[in-house]
Amino acid sequence: EAQVTQNPRYLITVTGKKLTVTCSQNMNHEYMSWYRQDPGLGLRQIYYSMNVEVTDKGDVPEGYKVSRKEKRNFPLILESPSPNQTSLYFCASSLSTAGTDTQYFGPGTRLTVL
Amino acid sequence: QQPVQSPQAVILREGEDAVINCSSSKALYSVHWYRQKHGEAPVFLMILLKGGEQKGHEKISASFNEKKQQSSLYLTASQLSYSGTYFCGTLENTGGFKTIFGAGTRLFVKA
Repeated sequence: EAQVTQNPRYLITVTGKKLTVTCSQNMNHEYMSWYRQDPGLGLRQIYYSMNVEVTDKGDVPEGYKVSRKEKRNFPLILESPSPNQTSLYFCASSLSTAGTDTQYFGPGTRLTVL
Repeated sequence: QQPVQSPQAVILREGEDAVINCSSSKALYSVHWYRQKHGEAPVFLMILLKGGEQKGHEKISASFNEKKQQSSLYLTASQLSYSGTYFCGTLENTGGFKTIFGAGTRLFVKA
């Protein structure tokens, strides 16, 4: 089944404790992206990647890191999480790097930073 | 800058029509529409590209006015399953393709 998977689905952590949220897609998609969703603000792009080893900042990259060492994986790293990073996170992928195809979203990761 | 969606919320009776608008202050390469149900991931509805090409569901229609940098999503003969939050996403060609979503329009369809 074609899908985007994220792990973990739920995470409660404390301020400053490094964490990684994994994202994997099995559709051979070139484009991958991370979003955070907060009430009233919609989805805001954190980082995106056009291809392996090619990443770029979205609108809210501060406090986050990403890497794209393999085509299928695009982990999101929070080196020193803070409470304002409490949010619902979505990973997405798309076949097209030209914005001409849909983005398929993962199921989401609900992160709470205490 | 985030595209502006209107209305923020709408309540419909089954069978009624609705229009959701999305307006940007920047030149757009394409507009994407998604629907999200509570607790779930956004699901693709429609893509509108410069030049008039569209890809999407047969039962949903949309328009894209490139000059005005606006898009509208038309929901006709609404069904209960149409309830959810609708997001427009605008893509800017910044060398890569940065996606900026609107804050969403909440749609509730009642029987």
